[in-house]
Amino acid sequence: AQSVTQPDIHITVSEGASLELRCNYSYGATPYLFWYVQSPGQGLQLLLKYFSGDTLVQGIKGFEAEFKRSQSSFNLRKPSVHWSDAAEYFCAVGAWAGTALIFGKGTTLSVSS
Amino acid sequence: DAMVIQNPRYQVTQFGKPVTLSCSQTLNHNVMYWYQQKSSQAPKLLFHYYDKDFNNEADTPDNFQSRRPNTSFCFLDIRSPGLGDAAMYLCATSRDRSDSNEQFFGPGTRLTVL
Repeated sequence: AQSVTQPDIHITVSEGASLELRCNYSYGATPYLFWYVQSPGQGLQLLLKYFSGDTLVQGIKGFEAEFKRSQSSFNLRKPSVHWSDAAEYFCAVGAWAGTALIFGKGTTLSVSS
Repeated sequence: DAMVIQNPRYQVTQFGKPVTLSCSQTLNHNVMYWYQQKSSQAPKLLFHYYDKDFNNEADTPDNFQSRRPNTSFCFLDIRSPGLGDAAMYLCATSRDRSDSNEQFFGPGTRLTVL
């Protein structure tokens, strides 16, 4: 069965510091992988996605993620965090079109000044 | 701008009183989804429509129903809300089954049950 693990429930990063949020997935074939961000009381906004090809994916707001098949990982990174990045981040995996996304439990990012 | 719209953004209902949440989309997508997200948890799929074809998740309670009268609109009906149904309800769309499953989310409706 498909599953997504986000090992870190809560991370605090200083403003301007780099960020890495971890995501591990379990799926038999090459999955479709996504990172979404959710601000308090809001819906989900897509940051980036991986379907195939280049394993380093660029997204919006300066985020990037790297797909590592050998490690079943799709970690999210940002070189310099801004206070506005404080939010909940969800990694998700999808098998194919028209089916559910399986979400991880999320990582809450706090940004300290 | 093309988008996914949910109304209302906040809904308060009484225990056992039926409630309907609305979702509309201007993306002309074939697939529409309803997710339930409880506090500090991941979104969980309740059901989805592929065009008019309704697909219910196995563990979705019978208390939850859905209607899709046309491509643009999809409704979530909770027949007898319990305290445990208080959550954020997220509507999402994707273009087609041949797509890469990118889903576009609405802002959500936060349901409070008194």
